[in-house]
Amino acid sequence: EVQLLESGGDLVQPGGSLRLSCAASGFPFGGHAMDWVRQAPGAGLEWVAAVSGSGTNTYYAGSVKGRFTISRDNSKNIVYLQMGSLTADDTAVYYCAKPVGGWYFDVWGPGTLVTVSS
Amino acid sequence: DIQLTQSPSFLSASVGDRVTITCRASLGFSSYLAWYQQKPGKPPKVLIYAASTLQSGVPSRFSGSGSGTEFTLTISSLQPEDFATYYCQQLNSYPYSFGQGTKLEIK
Repeated sequence: EVQLLESGGDLVQPGGSLRLSCAASGFPFGGHAMDWVRQAPGAGLEWVAAVSGSGTNTYYAGSVKGRFTISRDNSKNIVYLQMGSLTADDTAVYYCAKPVGGWYFDVWGPGTLVTVSS
Repeated sequence: DIQLTQSPSFLSASVGDRVTITCRASLGFSSYLAWYQQKPGKPPKVLIYAASTLQSGVPSRFSGSGSGTEFTLTISSLQPEDFATYYCQQLNSYPYSFGQGTKLEIK
C-alpha cells in the first residue's frame, strides 16, 4: 500500500525554524517527484514546494521562496521541508503529496500541524 | 504564475440537484488541471485529472471539461456524501496553484 506520513509539526515562535519530514512507502520513491501543500486553519489549499525524483530540481511558491528548502533522502525514502523565518502566516497543516507525472496528486499524507505563535 | 479563481465560493444545493463549479485561469493552458474533493479533517481526494478524465473509483456523476482559461466540474445528481469543499489545481507550470475552493452545502 502506498503511504505517506508527515512528522515534525510543532508550536514555534515567530522568526524560528522547523524541519518537517515525510516518510514514504509502497512505491519506488526515487522515481517520483514529491510536493508539499499547506492549509491554514479554515482556509484553502496552498501549494508550497516540489522536488524532483533525483533531488536535483526544486520549485517553490513565492510566499516561501528564500525561507523554505525542500530536499529528499532517497536512501531513507524521506522528503524534508526545512522552514525558516517563520511568521503567523505559516501556521497551517502541512501535507506531503505524491504527483502522478504532471497530472494530479494521487496520494496525500494525513498532515502535520505547524503553529507559529509567541 | 498562473492564478486560479473558482466560482462560486459557496454553493447551497439539494440532493439530486445538478451543480457546476467553474475554475478560471489567469493564463491559458491545455489540460493540466485537476479537481479535488476535501472533507473536514481529511486530505484532498482527486476526482478529475487532465481536465476531463475521471479518476478510477470516482462515481460517474462527476465530470470535468474545459481548456484554455475556463474549466468546469459538474456533479450531475448530488448525493449526501458530495457535500464537501472542491478545489481545482493547475499542474501546467511551476509554481503549481489551487483555486480558493468552493464549499458545497446542503440547502
